[in-house]
Amino acid sequence: GQNIDQPTEMTATEGAIVQINCTYQTSGFNGLFWYQQHAGEAPTFLSYNVLDGLEEKGRFSSFLSRSKGYSYLLLKELQMKDSASYLCAVRDRDSWGKLQFGAGTQVVVTP
Amino acid sequence: GAVVSQHPSRVICKSGTSVKIECRSLDFQATTMFWYRQFPKQSLMLMATSNEGSKATYEQGVEKDKFLINHASLTLSTLTVTSAHPEDSSFYICSADGDRFIPGAFFGQGTRLTVV
Repeated sequence: GQNIDQPTEMTATEGAIVQINCTYQTSGFNGLFWYQQHAGEAPTFLSYNVLDGLEEKGRFSSFLSRSKGYSYLLLKELQMKDSASYLCAVRDRDSWGKLQFGAGTQVVVTP
Repeated sequence: GAVVSQHPSRVICKSGTSVKIECRSLDFQATTMFWYRQFPKQSLMLMATSNEGSKATYEQGVEKDKFLINHASLTLSTLTVTSAHPEDSSFYICSADGDRFIPGAFFGQGTRLTVV
């Protein structure tokens, strides 16, 4: 199985940058996902990393280091609408498509 | 991206009754669907993996006789919560996998179940 840890809450100012860290332990890593979830809604896919390095997609970037069991999601130029929970999830090599989720990081963007 | 449709979005039922939730893949064939449950301020917990034409695989601690899953076609999986109790009140979400995109990337809209 996997142990996935991420901070519970982070607060940042509109226009700023926030980095959400995620560490994991898994017996057979096969990809890491980041999702955004607004209250009362289903998660929305943000990014997927399976190889080491940085994946950039607009204001959002995600980084992975498999040797360290570490990932981060970087949110730039924060907007009020970015206030949401951000979920880190790991896919196991032996269970294609099956995801283990972290508890989520609640990001609060203030004016 | 792929479209996964879940219905109903909200349902309120009386304790002891059963509720059926549908998960459909609208523009692709889903060989596997996953059912998750999310309690308030908690993360998603996988309940079961549903494969077309075969029995679902349930996670430890999930009662298969209480949460009936049927995956009769490549575009539809259903979750039936039988003899619902207030503690079953939760947000239920499905995810469908196909061969055209990253598995695990797309979720249905979720179903908010309230048992009174």
